[in-house]
Amino acid sequence: DGGITQSPKYLFRKEGQNVTLSCEQNLNHDAMYWYRQDPGQGLRLIYYSQIVNDFQKGDIAEGYSVSREKKESFPLTVTSAQKNPTAFYLCASRQGFGELFFGEGSRLTVL
Amino acid sequence: QQQVKQSPQSLIVQKGGIPIINCAYENTAFDYFPWYQQFPGKGPALLIAIRPDVSEKKEGRFTISFNKSAKQFSLHIMDSQPGDSATYFCAASLNSNSGYALNFGKGTSLLVTP
Repeated sequence: DGGITQSPKYLFRKEGQNVTLSCEQNLNHDAMYWYRQDPGQGLRLIYYSQIVNDFQKGDIAEGYSVSREKKESFPLTVTSAQKNPTAFYLCASRQGFGELFFGEGSRLTVL
Repeated sequence: QQQVKQSPQSLIVQKGGIPIINCAYENTAFDYFPWYQQFPGKGPALLIAIRPDVSEKKEGRFTISFNKSAKQFSLHIMDSQPGDSATYFCAASLNSNSGYALNFGKGTSLLVTP
């Protein structure tokens, strides 16, 4: 079945550590996105990529980094510079003006 | 700044009631307005979407009403069921080089009681 796979589903991090969240899609979509969800804050855009080897900052990119070396993959690294990284992270993909498909999310907790 | 404002933050209705969730936007260039439904621990899923050339769209028990002049749109859930209890997000998208990224409202937590 086509879809978006995020891993891990749950992740715990010590302060000062970098962590990488995986996102893979087999929908053959050109555009991929990372959103952060906090209670009562909705979904806020971190980074997005329209094509391979190109990506742009969203509204809250500070403390995060991404890469897009393959069309199907868009990993997100939460760096130690992110001051409040505990959140639910959602990866999504879209083709043109079509439906935005989301993965199941990764919940990151900083200990 | 929040480009899409959603209200109410939470809503409780009895089974069979018609919850209404409202959204307002500022950017008149937005041309795609979807609603997403999210269950706890899951990613959001598209429920229904509308473009500004129509004023209303129905899909099953879900209806979007769109008022272009007021820059507002709303979701109505007819004959609501306990299984509709979820968080609902409105969103808007701009046809530009923004990568077609959706701007989301803050969400409405809906509880439908038996």
